[in-house]
Formats: sequence, structure tokens, C-alpha cells
Amino acid sequence: SQQGEEDPQALSIQEGENATMNCSYKTSINNLQWYRQNSGRGLVHLILIRSNEREKHSGRLRVTLDTSKKSSSLLITASRAADTASYFCATDANDYKLSFGAGTTVTVRA
Amino acid sequence: NAGVTQTPKFRVLKTGQSMTLLCAQDMNHEYMYWYRQDPGMGLRLIHYSVGEGTTAKGEVPDGYNVSRLKKQNFLLGLESAAPSQTSVYFCASSYTLRQPQHFGDGTRLSIL
Repeated sequence: SQQGEEDPQALSIQEGENATMNCSYKTSINNLQWYRQNSGRGLVHLILIRSNEREKHSGRLRVTLDTSKKSSSLLITASRAADTASYFCATDANDYKLSFGAGTTVTVRA
Repeated sequence: NAGVTQTPKFRVLKTGQSMTLLCAQDMNHEYMYWYRQDPGMGLRLIHYSVGEGTTAKGEVPDGYNVSRLKKQNFLLGLESAAPSQTSVYFCASSYTLRQPQHFGDGTRLSIL
């Protein structure tokens, strides 16, 4: 079963706009990770946020984590055509595996 | 560095045939994983390995076997392919369980 669930399923924005996607999960976690997948390629790790952290930045990416609400958000600022991809959250929840959500598909229009 | 390399990239099988998917990593990672990705379902873990000579079942292990005879290689076998195993298969590796995973570009497998 999926631990993380992303929302929305799909997002279409204009180049230069910001894109925000959310991830909700069910059980307590050690950390939460965000990955990007370009069409026809494997997943690429973007950012890891630990359960005792509330916000983390990496370039144009900003991730927040609210453990009381069991949710995380990924913000991509000043989007580019190259940001067109699917984005997945994955939770590390005290067992042997990462649990991935079904992903948010982001399309950046020129 | 090549990272994680999967072979083959594409394959079409008939029901009942067998095949082996190969994953190789050059990062000296201890942990290796096999996932399948189906539309609308995210990635599901099939089997994983925490080191050379060790393997363990994941979320959806039925119909698959794995071996890790060398640290850098992780093999996924389908003994008798079924149409339900049509999917995209991804291999990944990491230093430890808590570290980010590095993924290959996948094997697209169709079973007729």
C-alpha cells in the first residue's frame, strides 16, 4: 500500500510561475524524500527532509514538513520547461523500505 | 561514473517464458532494490538486498526471484512470465537504508 499520496495528480503552469504539490502520509516517519522522474527515465533524488526538520531549500526547491498533519509540500519557484516531469514523495517509516506515492505530473508551458 | 545500469532496456516475452534482468552499480553501495512501476500506482518494492549474498522480500515478491552474488550486481528473475508482470522495472541502490536511492533508467517489459 502507498504510504505517501501526492496532490494534485497533475499540474499545468506557465514558465516562470511557481508550482506547489503536496504529499500526505499515514504513519510516523524518519524522513521524507522527493524525487523527480523525466519521461522514460529513472527517478532522481531531489531533497531529503528529516522528521525533526520543518523546512529545507535546494536551489529553486523548497520543501516543508508538518509531522503533526503528516504532510509535506514541494515548491518549485520560477519554473522552467526543464521542470516538466513527474514528482514523487517517498516516506521512510521505520521499516525496510521507502514507500512511494503515485506522483504529481507537472507540465510547464512555454 | 555510470551510476546504476540496467539491461536490457526493453523486452517482449511470451507467457511462460523466463528471463533475467541485470542491474549493476559502480558506487560501492551496500543496498540494492528492485521496484516495479505501474500507471497510477507509484513504485512498489519487489525484493531488496542489504549486502552481497543477502536478499529479502519486499511488498510484491510473488513470481520473482533475485540474487546478489557480487556486491555490484543485483539480478531479478522471472521464472514463468505472466501478463500481470508487464511493467517498467527499476533498480536502485543506496549506501544505507536511510540515504537517498540512485535509480537506473528502467527496463520496459511486455508479456504477451
